[in-house]
Amino acid sequence: DAGITQSPRHKVTETGTPVTLRCHQTENHRYMYWYRQDPGHGLRLIHYSYGVKDTDKGEVSDGYSVSRSKTEDFLLTLESATSSQTSVYFCAISERPGTSGYEQYFGPGTRLTVT
Amino acid sequence: GQQVMQIPQYQHVQEGEDFTTYCNSSTTLSNIQWYKQRPGGHPVFLIQLVKSGEVKKQKRLTFQFGEAKKNSSLHITATQTTDVGTYFCAGPWGQFYFGTGTSLTVIP
Repeated sequence: DAGITQSPRHKVTETGTPVTLRCHQTENHRYMYWYRQDPGHGLRLIHYSYGVKDTDKGEVSDGYSVSRSKTEDFLLTLESATSSQTSVYFCAISERPGTSGYEQYFGPGTRLTVT
Repeated sequence: GQQVMQIPQYQHVQEGEDFTTYCNSSTTLSNIQWYKQRPGGHPVFLIQLVKSGEVKKQKRLTFQFGEAKKNSSLHITATQTTDVGTYFCAGPWGQFYFGTGTSLTVIP
């Protein structure tokens, strides 16, 4: 498996609290992605990054923000968590954009529960 | 996303039976990828198809890209319990989208 770690792996938080999920890679890949996975919806792109400080929105970006200050780290922040953000969150990396046909490597996932 | 339809959503097969999942797009694609996710695991890249009509094989798995590059299929011959999981197609529909997946259960 590619060198991708996510932290925390599990988190339970209350509605209205801020939450930050971290993705760390040791592969020096330029592209990093945050997905959420929910039953019946597959994997949906939240935000992605194409370089340090370069990010863009995905399909389901409302309520989420991201930051990438170093090549190896990509942070996903829920400013004020809601129950609809209960999900499994996956980070992924790729050498080039997935749209150009480059495979993505996924981290182990973070299970987030918002009560 | 909305631009890709993956069917069926679920499939239960007896061990040894064949299995096929289909990915249908409303637009022509430059490439399509397939991923597998074991229960409780993360998606793992299986293969990429680029050419019209392309067929690729990995042991018992056969992947096909349609002539019009708007659909793709994954066929597993003689399923085994190790094939259990969810299979996703993924591709560049504007941004990079994953299909909703087909969950395969293999009954021993």
